[in-house]
Amino acid sequence: GENVEQHPSTLSVQEGDSAVIKCTYSDSASNYFPWYKQELGKRPQLIIDIRSNVGEKKDQRIAVTLNKTAKHFSLHITETQPEDSAVYFCAASNEVTTDSWGKLQFGAGTQVVVTP
Amino acid sequence: NAGVTQTPKFRVLKTGQSMTLLCAQDMNHEYMYWYRQDPGMGLRLIHYSVGEGTTAKGEVPDGYNVSRLKKQNFLLGLESAAPSQTSVYFCASSSIQGNEQYFGPGTRLTVT
Repeated sequence: GENVEQHPSTLSVQEGDSAVIKCTYSDSASNYFPWYKQELGKRPQLIIDIRSNVGEKKDQRIAVTLNKTAKHFSLHITETQPEDSAVYFCAASNEVTTDSWGKLQFGAGTQVVVTP
Repeated sequence: NAGVTQTPKFRVLKTGQSMTLLCAQDMNHEYMYWYRQDPGMGLRLIHYSVGEGTTAKGEVPDGYNVSRLKKQNFLLGLESAAPSQTSVYFCASSSIQGNEQYFGPGTRLTVT
């Protein structure tokens, strides 16, 4: 089955700096890669996702890149703010079709701390 | 539109006791999931359901049972709780149209 590794486990950045989290996956059939953000005591929420037919996707200060050949993808947060402090999870899956329900395999998570 | 809800929010059990966690969604989603979250281990899938009346095992199913008698509800049961089941439990749901999973607020369970 799919195995997703995520690094680093903790990341401390100064406000305004960039943060990068990296994930690798093992199943070359995976074609959907979401990132979830979980604030302390809250539920995980999707912040951005990418499908295997694109190499990069941006949404304001966050971006995700995908290297299918190397089987890794990364989350980039620019101009970090204190509200970016949270645990971030990457995941890998197959896209949902009529024959596949798209099981998500999550990484272990990265605790991001943004200090003012 | 409440999204995904879970009851209870907190529970303390003694070893050997049983309980049922309830998940409900009002988004008419076909797929529902139960995860457990432990420090440093991310979210691990316990059981899942691809439709009313169907259930299947996930990554860590031992010690848990599930039922999905109604499309909007997914129940997780612990027949004989063990301290190793101390965790935060999240329910999630998704539609057949897309991959995004919507999570409930979680249930913090402590087994002493």
